[in-house]
This record gives sequence, structure tokens and C-alpha cells, in this order.
Amino acid sequence: DAGVIQSPRHEVTEMGQEVTLRCKPISGHNSLFWYRQTMMRGLELLIYFNNNVPIDDSGMPEDRFSAKMPNASFSTLKIQPSEPRDSAVYFCASSGSWGNTIYFGEGSWLTVV
Amino acid sequence: AQTVTQSQPEMSVQEAETVTLSCTYDTSESDYYLFWYKQPPSRQMILVIRQEAYKQQNATENRFSVNFQKAAKSFSLKISDSQLGDAAMYFCAYRIKAAGNKLTFGGGTRVLVKP
Repeated sequence: DAGVIQSPRHEVTEMGQEVTLRCKPISGHNSLFWYRQTMMRGLELLIYFNNNVPIDDSGMPEDRFSAKMPNASFSTLKIQPSEPRDSAVYFCASSGSWGNTIYFGEGSWLTVV
Repeated sequence: AQTVTQSQPEMSVQEAETVTLSCTYDTSESDYYLFWYKQPPSRQMILVIRQEAYKQQNATENRFSVNFQKAAKSFSLKISDSQLGDAAMYFCAYRIKAAGNKLTFGGGTRVLVKP
């Protein structure tokens, strides 16, 4: 079975540019999570969806960040405009119903210069 | 605030020896799950082991086992017969039903394995 699929794996962009990260969760999972990992702040939950509906977006750092989940098999995390401090590894993860394990994608390494 | 604390930034172990990683957490809830994830240099987050809070029996997965002390809110991970491939960051995490569906992570412990 395919795991959580993220793209791109690596992206280098210039400050001010728009960045879109994509995620395909594991088929049948109804919860999807976006995490960010940095040296300074560790692993932070940005937002999570349940049945395609955003449940908790309190971790989204500011209005430059937005996330969508138009259907059960696709989600995007967009940063516009990007800044150097957004450089991080962004993980998408998914799980089934409560109690099930959360599985992570391989991450999208973002560098903003 | 709900927190997960890993007090050891780094641990070193000789190959074939045993190492124990500590984790404590804070919650007043009773319905939750605990996890250990491994993150090798590739940055992939890999589930090592999970524990249901309602189960008293400690979970085991091959060379990995936990010591779950619910009253003390402690959830340590023991790696037995350490192998070079065990070298990685290890993250303790919990998932509390009353706090939504999300995982909250500790700060991580880096494990170094000496040949």
C-alpha cells in the first residue's frame, strides 16, 4: 500500500515567492495533519482536517499560510509570500479514526533564500 | 498546557548494548495514546511503538519495549541489542482524545550508536 505522498520533496525559492506543498493521504484515512519541523521549535502542528474539514488551525503562524483539503485524497499547504524564516521540513500525516496510528509522509524540505 | 518532555537531548550506546530513553507527559485526561517515533537522517518519521493508556501491559516490538507508568505519567523506551541502524532522533508523543485528534511531540532525544 502507498503511504502518505508529499510533493515536492525539496524546494528552494526566493523570498516573496508563493510556495505550494501537496499531500496525498493514505486511502481510507479521514484525518490529515500538517506539521512543521525546525531546529528552534521542533515539531509543530500547523493544522489538521477531519473528513476534509479544518478542525484546528491554531498552529498556522500567520495569514501568509493557508491550507485546503478539497477532497479526501488531496491537500495543499500554501505560503504566500514566503520568507526565509519559513525554511523548514513540512510533514503531512494521516490517520484513520481515533486511536489509530498517525503515518507521516517523507516531508517537503523548503528553503527560502 | 498539555506537554511532553524528553529530558535527554542525546544518548550514546555501544553496539549490542541497551539504552533507555525517558519521556514524561502531562495530562489530566484518561483516554489517550502514547507513541515513540524514530527519525533517521533521512527525516522520515517512522513509528517505533505505541501504547494505549488503558492497557497496563507494556508494549513490545522486537528489540523495542516501553515502561509505561501511568500514575507517574512516564513512558520510557528501551532499545535492546542496539544496532548501528538505530542511530536516529527519537520522539515521544501523545494523542489525547479530549484535545482533538492531534499528536503532541516532545523535543526529541538523539541516539548515537558506537561500533
